[in-house]
Amino acid sequence: DAGITQSPRYKITETGRQVTLMCHQTWSHSYMFWYRQDLGHGLRLIYYSAAADITDKGEVPDGYVVSRSKTENFPLTLESATRSQTSVYFCASSGGTDTQYFGPGTRLTVL
Amino acid sequence: AQSVAQPEDQVNVAEGNPLTVKCTYSVSGNPYLFWYVQYPNRGLQFLLKYITGDNLVKGSYGFEAEFNKSQTSFHLKKPSALVSDSALYFCAVRGLYSGAGSYQLTFGKGTKLSVIP
Repeated sequence: DAGITQSPRYKITETGRQVTLMCHQTWSHSYMFWYRQDLGHGLRLIYYSAAADITDKGEVPDGYVVSRSKTENFPLTLESATRSQTSVYFCASSGGTDTQYFGPGTRLTVL
Repeated sequence: AQSVAQPEDQVNVAEGNPLTVKCTYSVSGNPYLFWYVQYPNRGLQFLLKYITGDNLVKGSYGFEAEFNKSQTSFHLKKPSALVSDSALYFCAVRGLYSGAGSYQLTFGKGTKLSVIP
């Protein structure tokens, strides 16, 4: 199906474990973004990518790693999960027309 | 640095009445402004944007927004609210600057709109 998808939709993990959140888009958009949404903070940018193999930090990158070997995929890895990383994570993409299109989100709980 | 303020955490309005969700921004140069809506357990959906041109922008689901440069505001409006409009609304801004980060959006904290039957 066309669009932007995220997996898993829900994830429970334990402190110290590595977790990877997947994001896939079928539009061949150049730009992709990872945000986290927390009460009282709105959406905050974690990392973004302007193209395959080009990534850069956003507002809150600590504890996260990204890669983009293919245009359509932009995985986000929590190398050693902490409770403060419990959040809802949204992936978005943009074709350079300014508008970002968001995935359905992944609700991550770190115990 | 660019920033967005949504001064109201929650807005309550009766069904059929006009609604306004407020947004003010701070950015260098001319702004790109956006409104998104989020329904429970869903991702953000694009409503409308202002890039240039007419200060009154029309978007999806009957929403519109008015850009006011002197007041640095971009308030979201709808003439007649529906119960189905109840959701979380986010304002976002992007400044005009070059580089790979040009497409970064800065979001406000969101305003919860409740339309009362």
